[in-house]
Amino acid sequence: KAGVTQTPRYLIKTRGQQVTLSCSPISGHRSVSWYQQTPGQGLQFLFEYFSETQRNKGNFPGRFSGRQFSNSRSEMNVSTLELGDSALYLCASSLGAGGDNSPLHFGNGTRLTVT
Amino acid sequence: AQSVTQLDSQVPVFEEAPVELRCNYSSSVSVYLFWYVQYPNQGLQLLLKYLSGSTLVKGINGFEAEFNKSQTSFHLRKPSVHISDTAEYFCAVSDHGGGADGLTFGKGTHLIIQP
Repeated sequence: KAGVTQTPRYLIKTRGQQVTLSCSPISGHRSVSWYQQTPGQGLQFLFEYFSETQRNKGNFPGRFSGRQFSNSRSEMNVSTLELGDSALYLCASSLGAGGDNSPLHFGNGTRLTVT
Repeated sequence: AQSVTQLDSQVPVFEEAPVELRCNYSSSVSVYLFWYVQYPNQGLQLLLKYLSGSTLVKGINGFEAEFNKSQTSFHLRKPSVHISDTAEYFCAVSDHGGGADGLTFGKGTHLIIQP
């Protein structure tokens, strides 16, 4: 069974631009979560989608948004990029919605560099 | 809200020696506990999880962890480490109710295996 696939692996953008990251979950998984990983803040929860609905949201500004499609694939968008948005963005899928005992399966991430 | 504290940012250990990576959590509700491992340039991989029942949990790659409710700890152990265990290890907590915070991670412990 294929794992969680994130594209692209690497991305370089300039301040003020916007970016869209993509995540394809494991087949059959209906929940997709997004996390931002930085050396200073560690892993921080962005949001979770389940059956095309945003179920939970972390403490990030409105520039960060996402969506989930009917095939469970998810996209994350960041508008008006800032230098501090440089990070590894990780997507994780699970069978059930957050809060149950379904473990998260992570992709290898998208490394975003903002210059 | 819950929080996770990983007491050591870095743990150097000689090959074939035992290791313990410490994790303490705080939460006002019952929790699920997890340990994830991250190898360089990869996403996170689940090592083990505690949901309920036996407090000693065995995971992959010879790792185990013990849940101690009175001390709110979930320390990770391995009796004999190998060079290939060099990685970043993350302790994480999720509350039973599907809280809005997603999975809360500790800052990580870098396990360095010395030959």
